[in-house]
Amino acid sequence: GAGVSQSPSNKVTEKGKDVELRCDPISGHTALYWYRQSLGQGLEFLIYFQGNSAPDKSGLPSDRFSAERTGGSVSTLTIQRTQQEDSAVYLCASSQGPGGHDGELFFGEGSRLTVL
Amino acid sequence: GDSVTQMEGPVTLSEEAFLTINCTYTATGYPSLFWYVQYPGEGLQLLLKATKADDKGSNKGFEATYRKETTSFHLEKGSVQVSDSAVYFCALSDRGSTLGRLYFGRGTQLTVWP
Repeated sequence: GAGVSQSPSNKVTEKGKDVELRCDPISGHTALYWYRQSLGQGLEFLIYFQGNSAPDKSGLPSDRFSAERTGGSVSTLTIQRTQQEDSAVYLCASSQGPGGHDGELFFGEGSRLTVL
Repeated sequence: GDSVTQMEGPVTLSEEAFLTINCTYTATGYPSLFWYVQYPGEGLQLLLKATKADDKGSNKGFEATYRKETTSFHLEKGSVQVSDSAVYFCALSDRGSTLGRLYFGRGTQLTVWP
């Protein structure tokens, strides 16, 4: 596609429910990243995919968080048994290769999650 | 570990004022340095970058110089415009790593008044 697409753009859920957030990266981009942006906390790294594998999952905050990527394209971030502290904007980014060297990360507009 | 510290905002300026947003970093390897910008209602986008010491990144009138001796990458613009109002993020990546992960600062909110 023309840019990184994320859905839903807004999600309000009740504490304890599961949520899925979707990211559709730019076509041909092999690297995909999930970040979390909380108020006053900046961007927190969650997970990195190269193709379908995730060589770096070190940022996932707990075992309630998981992510997968299929076909080297679309990725889904799943949060189980949501808690109020999970409320944040979840950002997805893609790049042609490992983007943090000389390349550029292209970000989606994010999915704003509110847990009541 | 790798980290970035940038000045806290918010920063409020009048149009045509000079802007500096400070950024310092800690890295174990050989980082590339970036400034990303997030305009209201939009996703983050790369503003400029520098990949080695003494390099100067520039774009849209903004500049930042990679200073290894002071571990800094301060963002500057000589004359800001209302359209520059946004959140600015300093970031680094460790070129010695194969993972390409970016480490971001907390962001600095800039508001420019006419």
